[in-house]
Amino acid sequence: SYVLTQPPSVSVAPGKTARITCGANDIGSKSVHWYQKKPGQAPVLVVYDDSDRPSGVPDRFSGSNSVNTATLTISRVEAGDEADYFCHIWDTDSDHQVFGGGTKLTVL
Amino acid sequence: QVPLVESGGGVVQPGGSLRLSCVGSGFTFKDSGMHWVRQAPGKGLEWVAVIWHGENKKYYADSVKGRFIISRDNSKNTLFLQMNSLRAADTAMYFCAREWEQKSNGAFDIWGQGTVVTVS
Repeated sequence: SYVLTQPPSVSVAPGKTARITCGANDIGSKSVHWYQKKPGQAPVLVVYDDSDRPSGVPDRFSGSNSVNTATLTISRVEAGDEADYFCHIWDTDSDHQVFGGGTKLTVL
Repeated sequence: QVPLVESGGGVVQPGGSLRLSCVGSGFTFKDSGMHWVRQAPGKGLEWVAVIWHGENKKYYADSVKGRFIISRDNSKNTLFLQMNSLRAADTAMYFCAREWEQKSNGAFDIWGQGTVVTVS
């Protein structure tokens, strides 16, 4: 089965840039989506199809995807960005949805 | 108006059954692929099952295949998850989510607030 690998944690100071990676073989050929999940709340879609943003999501959130790594970039990080972030793809070979293990973003 | 509202969670003994519901509003439910996703305590998101619109194709995660059944009633804008032979490992918050087929390649743009299932 397809496995998405994320670092368990990323720490960043306010105002700096956070980069969260999602690694898998040939992930560059797939559409990657990213969700923000805060405790007790529903996940929120922040980037879809590698690099598009839903309306209402700040342009500080951006995404990229190439070869074996997709990346969620959060610029000018704020305290309110502290959350778990999950990458997600549709594995068309199995028709299964796959989530990465999640990355806890800590704002120092 | 909350777009997706889950219900039906609770505490059940191992081997027992539970039926979750998810009511959609504010979008064309019958045209939407609908998913169940769960999050066990302290763990990440795990996809559980999908039911597509139209042909009603269904797919399940290996961890629940043969025990869970996903279904829908488009006349009532409602998604269901029948969970049988429950195990401790099924303990989780269960979310329903809409697949944003019109504008994305499989992203989940609408999520419910979740309902808690405890198997103990």
